[in-house]
Amino acid sequence: SQTIHQWPATLVQPVGSPLSLECTVEGTSNPNLYWYRQAAGRGLQLLFYSVGIGQISSEVPQNLSASRPQDRQFILSSKKLLLSDSGFYLCAWSVRQYGYTFGSGTRLTVV
Amino acid sequence: GNSVTQMEGPVTLSEEAFLTINCTYTATGYPSLFWYVQYPGEGLQLLLKATKADDKGSNKGFEATYRKETTSFHLEKGSVQVSDSAVYFCALGGSNYKLTFGKGTLLTVNP
Repeated sequence: SQTIHQWPATLVQPVGSPLSLECTVEGTSNPNLYWYRQAAGRGLQLLFYSVGIGQISSEVPQNLSASRPQDRQFILSSKKLLLSDSGFYLCAWSVRQYGYTFGSGTRLTVV
Repeated sequence: GNSVTQMEGPVTLSEEAFLTINCTYTATGYPSLFWYVQYPGEGLQLLLKATKADDKGSNKGFEATYRKETTSFHLEKGSVQVSDSAVYFCALGGSNYKLTFGKGTLLTVNP
């Protein structure tokens, strides 16, 4: 069966520090992968998506970047965190247009 | 572009009350429609889906019917429980398997 792993679950980082969040998928190949952010207002904002290794599409300009070094690995990064980067980050995957499977999320607090 | 509008709430009900959360959409073509649920501190879980007009998705007592003529996908449950307290997201599946989410509706069910 397919599973998605996302870590860490919580993270507190100082302003200006780097960030690396990792997401891996098991039990499927060539998935579409996504990073979403959920801010305090509960809405979900698509940050990045990837349809293959090395292929990254950015939905909004921001302080973050994404990479897909392997088929089932998706990494969200920042060189210098801002206070506004705080939020709940969700990784997701899909194979067909019949819905996503989400990870359990990472709660990031930038202090 | 695609968009989803859902009632923002919060919605507060007593146990065994009837629930309706409205969702309307704007899209080109024939998108798939989804409801996701997010319990406190967790990621999103797919609740139900419908892939074509007049389809009814159902799960755990929840139902939603894909109404092309009114571009709607309202979520209903005949008798809510305390355990249904969560945030509910309506979503639309577009091109490149990207999902467009509504802003979410917080449901609180009191005993």
